[in-house]
Amino acid sequence: GAGVSQSPSNKVTEKGKDVELRCDPISGHTALYWYRQRLGQGLEFLIYFQGNSAPDKSGLPSDRFSAERTGESVSTLTIQRTQQEDSAVYLCASSSADRSSYNSPLHFGNGTRLTVT
Amino acid sequence: AQSVSQHNHHVILSEAASLELGCNYSYGGTVNLFWYVQYPGQHLQLLLKYFSGDPLVKGIKGFEAEFIKSKFSFNLRKPSVQWSDTAEYFCAVKGGYQKVTFGIGTKLQVIP
Repeated sequence: GAGVSQSPSNKVTEKGKDVELRCDPISGHTALYWYRQRLGQGLEFLIYFQGNSAPDKSGLPSDRFSAERTGESVSTLTIQRTQQEDSAVYLCASSSADRSSYNSPLHFGNGTRLTVT
Repeated sequence: AQSVSQHNHHVILSEAASLELGCNYSYGGTVNLFWYVQYPGQHLQLLLKYFSGDPLVKGIKGFEAEFIKSKFSFNLRKPSVQWSDTAEYFCAVKGGYQKVTFGIGTKLQVIP
């Protein structure tokens, strides 16, 4: 595809419900990141997938958050029992970073705006 | 662990003024440094990057940044800003094979 694709672009959910956010990275990109951007705040790292290595989950704020990635393709971020403080824009980014090009820049999707009411 | 600090959270400038946005990082080894920009209503995109070599890096739209290793800094500069530069600017660091860590961002508002 031409770029990183995220869906849905907007999601409104009731407190306590589960949500699933999807990211389609650029084909061939081995690295995939999820970030969160709350209103008026910077980019908060959530999780990082790099090839077949174990993901870096150090940024996940609680055990309500989880993410999966199938091989080097689609990733889903799941938030269980959503809370109002989960409201944010969730950004996905991918890069071709591997051992030969680990410093490749990130390509971002347009994000999913999550509103928990 | 690596970290990034951006000094100015909100900057307001008149057109044609010069710009310098501060960025300091913390990491003990070789780093890759980036500036990303997010224009209103658009997604984040790369402005410029430093990997190695000449510490003065030139990016798109007349922006440049200088890597000063002794100061752990990577400040962004532009000699003369335009109204179209109004955006949020993020400094980012990647140490070795670690994840990319972003600063909190600086909102730049350019007044015509």
